[in-house]
Amino acid sequence: ETGVTQTPRHLVMGMTNKKSLKCEQHLGHNAMYWYKQSAKKPLELMFVYNFKEQTENNSVPSRFSPECPNSSHLFLHLHTLQPEDSALYLCASSQDQGYNSPLHFGNGTRLTVT
Amino acid sequence: AQSVTQLDSHVSVSEGTPVLLRCNYSSSYSPSLFWYVQHPNKGLQLLLKYTSAATLVKGINGFEAEFKKSETSFHLTKPSAHMSDAAEYFCVVSVNNQGGKLIFGQGTELSVKP
Repeated sequence: ETGVTQTPRHLVMGMTNKKSLKCEQHLGHNAMYWYKQSAKKPLELMFVYNFKEQTENNSVPSRFSPECPNSSHLFLHLHTLQPEDSALYLCASSQDQGYNSPLHFGNGTRLTVT
Repeated sequence: AQSVTQLDSHVSVSEGTPVLLRCNYSSSYSPSLFWYVQHPNKGLQLLLKYTSAATLVKGINGFEAEFKKSETSFHLTKPSAHMSDAAEYFCVVSVNNQGGKLIFGQGTELSVKP
C-alpha cells in the first residue's frame, strides 16, 4: 500500500469524451500534485495544491481541469483530449510544499486517448 | 538555474555485483536531493533523501548515496544487486528558493542479469 490511491488504473477514452481521474491520500498530508509521465521524457509537473488552494499551474492546457475539494482528495477532469495526452498520470502528496518534503506517489492512471 | 543530470540512461549489472547510478546536480543554493525508484506499472517510491545532515545517506533495500559538494554529485550505490532491483531510478533536486519545486532527472533504467 502506498498511502496514495489512484483510480482508475487504466482508462481509454475518445477525443470527445469527458472523464475524471481520482486521487486519495491517507497520510494526513497538506500538499497534493498531478504529474504527467510520458515515454522518454522527464516527469512533468502539472498542478500543485497546498491546503486545498492551487499554488501552481505549470502552463497546462485547459482541457485538463483539476479539483481539490479537501486535503485528502484530488481530481483531474479531462475533456476533448488529444492523442498526445496519452501518458501515465501520477498523483502525489507531501506533508507540505517545503523543499525537503519528499513526495509519496500513487501507482498512476494509464490513459490512452484514441 | 537548478538542474539534475543522470549520466547513464541504462545500466546493466549481474546479480550479486555492485550497482552505481550516477547523478550530478547544479544549484546556486543548498539543495535537498532525493532518489526515487519506479517499478513497472507502479508509481515512484522514495529510496532516500539528503537534506544537509550527514553526507552519506542510507536508504531502503540496501541502497545508499553520498553527497559530494565539491563534485556536485549524488551517486546511488548498492554493494550487491538483486533481481528485484531492476527498475527505473530517478535523481531529484529541490531548492528552497523555488518554493520546494522538484526537478527530476531523465531516469536510469537498471537491468539485473541472473
